Amino acid sequence: AQRVTQPEKLLSVFKGAPVELKCNYSYSGSPELFWYVQYSRQRLQLLLRHISRESIKGFTADLNKGETSFHLKKPFAQEEDSAMYYCALSTHLGTYKYIFGTGTRLKVLA
Amino acid sequence: EPEVTQTPSHQVTQMGQEVILRCVPISNHLYFYWYRQILGQKVEFLVSFYNNEISEKSEIFDDQFSVERPDGSNFTLKIRSTKLEDSAMYFCASSGGRRGTEAFFGQGTRLTVV
Repeated sequence: AQRVTQPEKLLSVFKGAPVELKCNYSYSGSPELFWYVQYSRQRLQLLLRHISRESIKGFTADLNKGETSFHLKKPFAQEEDSAMYYCALSTHLGTYKYIFGTGTRLKVLA
Repeated sequence: EPEVTQTPSHQVTQMGQEVILRCVPISNHLYFYWYRQILGQKVEFLVSFYNNEISEKSEIFDDQFSVERPDGSNFTLKIRSTKLEDSAMYFCASSGGRRGTEAFFGQGTRLTVV
């Protein structure tokens, strides 16, 4: 079965502390993994995709096929990082639909 | 930067009524989607649309739901006879459909069925 698991509903960290938002997936083929962010009252926006191995706003994520994980990391959290973060898997089997995790709310405390 | 736009932002309807949610995808995209998010739950795939027909639909997308691209720019989701459990945020998305490209999401329509 295709599944994305984000075990933490809420993650609170202090400003300047490291952040790791966990994402594990279940998929037998070759998935594409994405991180989307939703700031308060805004639309879902792409943050990262594994295929481009980029760093956006200081965030990075590495696809670990052995552990079927795609954890999102940032070394020093900023208050403006407070948002809802969704991990998504695209199966790329014709429709390119997404399977989303339940999301993690990140709160960065001053 | 091009955006996916959705109207209305909030719709309140009585149970049993028909609603149409509207979306304008990004113009050169080929794949169009509807997702929904019930309050407190995850974003769920409803349907994908490609080449003027449904390419995939989920179990949620039953006979009460339909989609259309009536004029080459708009993409609509119709719910024929709304139920209380249809209350949710509905997101439209579009993508170019190639490996490595992402989906762009609209801001959502909050549907409240009373």
